[in-house]
Amino acid sequence: GNSVTQMEGPVTLSEEAFLTINCTYTATGYPSLFWYVQYPGEGLQLLLKATKADDKGSNKGFEATYRKETTSFHLEKGSVQVSDSAVYFCALSLISNNNDMRFGAGTRLTVKP
Amino acid sequence: GAVVSQHPSWVICKSGTSVKIECRSLDFQATTMFWYRQFPKQSLMLMATSNEGSKATYEQGVEKDKFLINHASLTLSTLTVTSAHPEDSSFYICSAAGTPYEQYFGPGTRLTVT
Repeated sequence: GNSVTQMEGPVTLSEEAFLTINCTYTATGYPSLFWYVQYPGEGLQLLLKATKADDKGSNKGFEATYRKETTSFHLEKGSVQVSDSAVYFCALSLISNNNDMRFGAGTRLTVKP
Repeated sequence: GAVVSQHPSWVICKSGTSVKIECRSLDFQATTMFWYRQFPKQSLMLMATSNEGSKATYEQGVEKDKFLINHASLTLSTLTVTSAHPEDSSFYICSAAGTPYEQYFGPGTRLTVT
């Protein structure tokens, strides 16, 4: 079936450190891939997305590249800030499956000053 | 951008009562709406998918008689938790899809059943 596996946390970094959160997927078709961020007590906010192989999604300094050959969509940021502390979810969606979206387990990031 | 609202944002109810949660797409028409459930420190689990004017499609293991979903218009879907019990306490999140590939998420509703 369709699923997402992402690096489980928690991840604790110092401010200005480099961030990588790994995400790999399994899909029967050609999915779109997403990273969502969830701040405490809130819903999900779309961080970035990529709809086809080799696309790079980017937003607020975060980047992720859709790698079909490795079925991966790793999230990276060169210099994290305290305000980036949140839970990050990798997800996939298949239009052929009524836009059904599958989420990874989530990775909690804490950035310390 | 596309905005999805949920009401209420939090609710406390007594065991045995029913609770209705509304999900609205404020500035677009949503042909499909989704309902998710999130337990503390866990990921989102899809409960059901609903298309406007049709019966909802429930995921395996989700009781359709307990979690009633109505999608009466292109901008409104409701989730009713019937005869709620403490184990139904959770964070419920809806999303709405008006275009391919992307769902827009509501802010979530925290339900506590005492």
